[in-house]
Amino acid sequence: GAGVSQSPSNKVTEKGKDVELRCDPISGHTALYWYRQSLGQGLEFLIYFQGNSAPDKSGLPSDRFSAERTGGSVSTLTIQRTQQEDSAVYLCASSPGQAGERGYTFGSGTRLTVV
Amino acid sequence: RKEVEQDPGPFNVPEGATVAFNCTYSNSASQSFFWYRQDCRKEPKLLMSVYSSGNEDGRFTAQLNRASQYISLLIRDSKLSDSATYLCVVNRGSYIPTFGRGTSLIVHP
Repeated sequence: GAGVSQSPSNKVTEKGKDVELRCDPISGHTALYWYRQSLGQGLEFLIYFQGNSAPDKSGLPSDRFSAERTGGSVSTLTIQRTQQEDSAVYLCASSPGQAGERGYTFGSGTRLTVV
Repeated sequence: RKEVEQDPGPFNVPEGATVAFNCTYSNSASQSFFWYRQDCRKEPKLLMSVYSSGNEDGRFTAQLNRASQYISLLIRDSKLSDSATYLCVVNRGSYIPTFGRGTSLIVHP
């Protein structure tokens, strides 16, 4: 597609439920990143995929968080047993293998609210 | 010391003013630098890359000072539409960019 697509745009879930967030990167971009942003806060790195390499999971806050990227394209971020502190905007970005001057392109995010 | 630091502001300036933001980074191995703009409740969008020799895009000028480990963004002739949060981004070669928490700019009539 022309840009990075994320779905759903909004998700309200009950505490303890599992959620799946989807990211469809720009076609041909080999790098994919997940960040989250709490209200009034900066971007917190979660996980990074580069091509077929093993993902860098160093930013995942707990083992309730996991992500996969199928076929080097679409990625799914899964949060199990959601907690209220998981409420945030989850942003996905993609870039060519080396960002160079083109930087990183973000999707419009998924706003997750855990009640 | 945080990896990337920015003054959160807000910078409150009148239309037509010139305003400058700095961003410091801690890792001397950092290789690529960007300024992003984020409007309220929107995703960050690339404003400009920052090159070693400095670069300009219309009213916006970006500079890199490797010796002192900071980058800057200068906005001339501020417009109301420039009101946003400006994020500094640093990539230290591991391909995981680090974002600053942003500097808030408010341009008033």
